[in-house]
Amino acid sequence: DAGITQSPRHKVTETGTPVTLRCHQTENHRYMYWYRQDPGHGLRLIHYSYGVKDTDKGEVSDGYSVSRSKTEDFLLTLESATSSQTSVYFCAISESDTDTQYFGPGTRLTVL
Amino acid sequence: GQNIDQPTEMTATEGAIVQINCTYQTSGFNGLFWYQQHAGEAPTFLSYNVLDGLEEKGRFSSFLSRSKGYSYLLLKELQMKDSASYLCAVMDSNYQLIWGAGTKLIIKP
Repeated sequence: DAGITQSPRHKVTETGTPVTLRCHQTENHRYMYWYRQDPGHGLRLIHYSYGVKDTDKGEVSDGYSVSRSKTEDFLLTLESATSSQTSVYFCAISESDTDTQYFGPGTRLTVL
Repeated sequence: GQNIDQPTEMTATEGAIVQINCTYQTSGFNGLFWYQQHAGEAPTFLSYNVLDGLEEKGRFSSFLSRSKGYSYLLLKELQMKDSASYLCAVMDSNYQLIWGAGTKLIIKP
């Protein structure tokens, strides 16, 4: 299994507060991704990174920002959390854009 | 638009065979992936197809027909631990994965 951890694993927060989720990898993979998973939907890409300080938007990027200052860490920030951002968030990594993606354990976020 | 369709739920019996279908319409095609996801856990990689035909890996096989925009995952000798959701994903022309909503497979003794 790929060495990917996510923190926190569970978080409950209130509407309007900022939230940061962390993804950490020990595989030295170049690509990192943030997805959200909601019932009835497939995984949806929020943002991804193709190197240190190199990021791009995915399908559902509104309300989210990311940063990658080191190869091993990819942070997802909700500037002002809303109830529609209640979801399970998964981080994934891959060696290149065409390679298999491997997933972290996920973070369950509840916004009240 | 891009679309991946798979059945929402299927039920099968322990020891039997089940086929989970996936049809897709995407902007370009750079391969099709199948993942397994147990409840409350992360998706784990099962198989990858980029050329037409069947790929076999133990009890699991995956088939692809690019001309028909169709794939299936075949699970043989079903075990209770195979109860999970199975996710189909297509890599589009931008090398991004487009995901189906998943098929929940229920195995009965």
